[in-house]
Amino acid sequence: AQRVTQPEKLLSVFKGAPVELKCNYSYSGSPELFWYVQYSRQRLQLLLRHISRESIKGFTADLNKGETSFHLKKPFAQEEDSAMYYCALLIPFRGFNKFYFGSGTKLNVKP
Amino acid sequence: GAGVSQSPSNKVTEKGKDVELRCDPISGHTALYWYRQSLGQGLEFLIYFQGNSAPDKSGLPSDRFSAERTGGSVSTLTIQRTQQEDSAVYLCASSLFVSSGGNEQFFGPGTRLTVL
Repeated sequence: AQRVTQPEKLLSVFKGAPVELKCNYSYSGSPELFWYVQYSRQRLQLLLRHISRESIKGFTADLNKGETSFHLKKPFAQEEDSAMYYCALLIPFRGFNKFYFGSGTKLNVKP
Repeated sequence: GAGVSQSPSNKVTEKGKDVELRCDPISGHTALYWYRQSLGQGLEFLIYFQGNSAPDKSGLPSDRFSAERTGGSVSTLTIQRTQQEDSAVYLCASSLFVSSGGNEQFFGPGTRLTVL
């Protein structure tokens, strides 16, 4: 079963419009959640993590345990936000922790 | 270097040949992951190492795929009798096991494999 679900493969918005990339997870305990981003011709890198409660490049994400969601939001999208975004979950696995990634959402911000 | 490195960066091979991909994780990182990223697709999990053992090999697509890790450091992913559908970017990532907080997975630049 998928631990992390990103229902949208592709999301297209116009510059200046709000954007929300959806992420739902499957875990009954207290998870660690992350958003990773991959810009064109760059390596995958951490964007933000829920425990830091930070805003990076104008993006925020709130953990909703009731809905088991960790949606990524930005009020005004910029063209440079165009990238592939992955939601990731870190949970216990056989005495250690293991990362689970969603299938990714490609964000296309149009001028 | 401080980051995860992978070699080769590009590999072109003929169908039926074996290939070996290498990953050098960040020093001290106990966890190492291999993923596959096909054109226009998302991340596909292949295998997870904790130290030298692999508690989760469930993502390996067939018995032509194998991986090992020695000395808790370098890992090699071997694909035997390559097929055209094996063409993809193979990503390696490593992380430090921390009981709570501070976890982050660091990715390498990937190896682009093309099977002709």
